Amino acid sequence: GESVGLHLPTLSVQEGDNSIINCAYSNSASDYFIWYKQESGKGPQFIIDIRSNMDKRQGQRVTVLLNKTVKHLSLQIAATQPGDSAVYFCAENRSGGSNYKLTFGKGTLLTVNP
Amino acid sequence: AAGVIQSPRHLIKEKRETATLKCYPIPRHDTVYWYQQGPGQDPQFLISFYEKMQSDKGSIPDRFSAQQFSDYHSELNMSSLELGDSALYFCASSLLRGYEQYFGPGTRLTVT
Repeated sequence: GESVGLHLPTLSVQEGDNSIINCAYSNSASDYFIWYKQESGKGPQFIIDIRSNMDKRQGQRVTVLLNKTVKHLSLQIAATQPGDSAVYFCAENRSGGSNYKLTFGKGTLLTVNP
Repeated sequence: AAGVIQSPRHLIKEKRETATLKCYPIPRHDTVYWYQQGPGQDPQFLISFYEKMQSDKGSIPDRFSAQQFSDYHSELNMSSLELGDSALYFCASSLLRGYEQYFGPGTRLTVT
């Protein structure tokens, strides 16, 4: 079936390095994507989003890249800090009609080593 | 800034009991979503409401029901609880459908 998934379940980086978390989606009709950060025992925290009419969007220390040709999404975190350690989820929101639910991919656990 | 409020934060119930989870969206947000997250799993969409009407339905068991009230808060009612219902239940809200969803801290439900 249609799904949103991640290539890597875990990622370990050194403090100060850049991190890249990848996500693949299978529904070419998807037009809105969100990255969430979830710390243990907490709710998903909105990081950044991107719509399908864009291929790149930048926030504070984060950049999301969207490649619609290969249906690939990535989250880049610059100068990764220990506080960035968490599970990161990509989520897909298929708009149109009344369907605005989020479909989450499998999370990637990011561990930042001091 | 005000965030999504959920209550209670923790709930312990026995099998076959009922539970009610409450969600208070961010002020002015008119859409509420409910998600269930099992241990080590990604959140799974249950149901959503827009302007107090059910908007979309996901993998919500028939034993569960939900509604959105005139003040936009929402309640998830769960009956005949099963051990497998133990999970984190998140509520999210958005300003209009299709906009970014902001999640609450979740309610951890444990069924014994």
